[in-house]
Amino acid sequence: DAMVIQNPRYQVTQFGKPVTLSCSQTLNHNVMYWYQQKSSQAPKLLFHYYDKDFNNEADTPDNFQSRRPNTSFCFLDIRSPGLGDAAMYLCATSNRGGNAEAFFGQGTRLTVV
Amino acid sequence: AQTVTQSQPEMSVQEAETVTLSCTYDTSESDYYLFWYKQPPSRQMILVIRQEAYKQQNATENRFSVNFQKAAKSFSLKISDSQLGDAAMYFCAYRRTTGGFKTIFGAGTRLFVKA
Repeated sequence: DAMVIQNPRYQVTQFGKPVTLSCSQTLNHNVMYWYQQKSSQAPKLLFHYYDKDFNNEADTPDNFQSRRPNTSFCFLDIRSPGLGDAAMYLCATSNRGGNAEAFFGQGTRLTVV
Repeated sequence: AQTVTQSQPEMSVQEAETVTLSCTYDTSESDYYLFWYKQPPSRQMILVIRQEAYKQQNATENRFSVNFQKAAKSFSLKISDSQLGDAAMYFCAYRRTTGGFKTIFGAGTRLFVKA
């Protein structure tokens, strides 16, 4: 089945140690998103790509970076994780047109120790 | 800037009964999409129902229907014949049709279903 896959499902990292979360999709969607979701709160958009066009949210900390080497893959890099960065990170995709629905991965739960 | 507001942090419904979740939004756009997403505990978020703003007819998907009031910027979700599997966080979301692809979420409503 076509889907959005996030790896790993659970990630433990040390305070200040760089960490990378990955997302892949088989839907061939133009748009890929990274959201941060804390403890039953609304997903907060960090950035999104339309093809290779990167769009950063104004309030996304510089500590968060992203790469999209091709249509299928997108990475979230956290350069120096702090305790406040512990959260669920959701990757999603959508098409430019069509029904505009966002398809989500299962998320990566990041713990910072 | 667009905003989405869900004023009910939690709701509870008896199995087989009907519940309505509220959502209001703010935008200066005339055309846009509205969504309700469901996020079960420890499971991925999935689309429940979708509404295009230019369509006056309210969307319906089986037991799920919306009451879309464009002038009031209101978009409520009605769940009929509630089932135990409906227990989840429900997020109302907004996306413009042109000029960007951001999907903005409300704070969510946690729905409990009592047997």
